[in-house]
Amino acid sequence: AQTVTQSQPEMSVQEAETVTLSCTYDTSESDYYLFWYKQPPSRQMILVIRQEAYKQQNATENRFSVNFQKAAKSFSLKISDSQLGDAAMYFCASPGWQGGSEKLVFGKGTKLTVNP
Amino acid sequence: DAGVTQSPTHLIKTRGQQVTLRCSPKSGHDTVSWYQQALGQGPQFIFQYYEEEERQRGNFPDRFSGHQFPNYSSELNVNALLLGDSALYLCASSLEGLKETQYFGPGTRLLVL
Repeated sequence: AQTVTQSQPEMSVQEAETVTLSCTYDTSESDYYLFWYKQPPSRQMILVIRQEAYKQQNATENRFSVNFQKAAKSFSLKISDSQLGDAAMYFCASPGWQGGSEKLVFGKGTKLTVNP
Repeated sequence: DAGVTQSPTHLIKTRGQQVTLRCSPKSGHDTVSWYQQALGQGPQFIFQYYEEEERQRGNFPDRFSGHQFPNYSSELNVNALLLGDSALYLCASSLEGLKETQYFGPGTRLLVL
């Protein structure tokens, strides 16, 4: 089974500081996208950023950027100038095959706390 | 532009009962995926519907079934509910293909007593 591993169950950061959330994945796909989703306590999953695997350039969306290392199958999320509203569960997701079906596989998540 | 909507928001059932959850996709999307999210876990893929057919399925028993209507909305049905079916059920819509971004609804919280 293809997996997504988020090794940090919890992280904390001071407001205005920078934090990096790690993710490793295991996919046999050659052309794929990777995703980071945010799930605040209101529970609705919101797309933070996505990375196209065939692109060398790391994706950036305002204060959010990724460090994509394709050979290492690593896809970390960096949040700069952290804000109180960034507090949430963050999930990394990659495509995978399981039981003959192609699907999006999610990690177990990292709970981010932002301290004022 | 309305995003993905789900109903109901909360549901309480007893073991052995059946439940139907509903999802309306984001405008312009033709694919609906369903996920189960247990407390403290990431979403687990249940199945995906495209053109009114189940295209992909995760490791869930046949008690979990679904349907997609011509207007692309979808239902998730769970029969013979077990206590372990208590979870947040998320619907996500997208265009067809795993390279497409999935947009999630707010979820339905199901509690089985």
